[in-house]
Amino acid sequence: QTVVTQEPSFSVSPGGTVTLTCGLSSGSVSTSYYPSWYQQTPGQAPRTLIYNTNTRSSGVPDRFSGSILGNKAALTITGAQADDESDYYCVLYMGSGNWVFGGGTKLTVL
Amino acid sequence: EVQLVESGGGLVQPGGSLRLSCAASGFTVSSNYMSWVRQAPGKGLEWVSVIYSGGNTYYADSVKGRFTISRDSSKNTLYLQMNSLRAEDTAVYYCAITRERAFDIWGQGTMVTVSS
Repeated sequence: QTVVTQEPSFSVSPGGTVTLTCGLSSGSVSTSYYPSWYQQTPGQAPRTLIYNTNTRSSGVPDRFSGSILGNKAALTITGAQADDESDYYCVLYMGSGNWVFGGGTKLTVL
Repeated sequence: EVQLVESGGGLVQPGGSLRLSCAASGFTVSSNYMSWVRQAPGKGLEWVSVIYSGGNTYYADSVKGRFTISRDSSKNTLYLQMNSLRAEDTAVYYCAITRERAFDIWGQGTMVTVSS
């Protein structure tokens, strides 16, 4: 069974830079998995940030960027702001109409 | 404006059935890939099912054989028929337009509680 891994939690100082990662329990993440990233605050629907590895969704500030770092997908937030404090999820497309989400990263800005 | 509005959630007993609806506006459901994603209380997101514009359907192993995704072009609405419900199906269910192999625009979600 495929497991998509994310850091359970991360903290960043206001104005700082943080990189969240999205890996596979077995193997490497590549652009072929079309990694995408979502931000979610409590009680709200997810908001799409990045799709197709590094394409920002409409209206997403360029402080958010996606990439492949080593064998993982990565979401980098530069100039972190207080309202970036959220849960962040990645999802990988596994082919044949199947997606697997990571467990999510709870980001604290302090 | 593109909008998705889910409905149909509620309390159902284990083994029961429920049909969720996702009413769309601002775009055509049948011309897009459409997915259901769920989130159990306090847990992460889980992809549930997708229907392609051509009509092919796919399901997560956890719901295969119990859930059916469908759409009604005349009503521009996506559905999720859920049968043989279990406690572990308790979650907020979101519908989402699926583009570029990602979940693009999301509805606000509808809560399903499976409990006796």
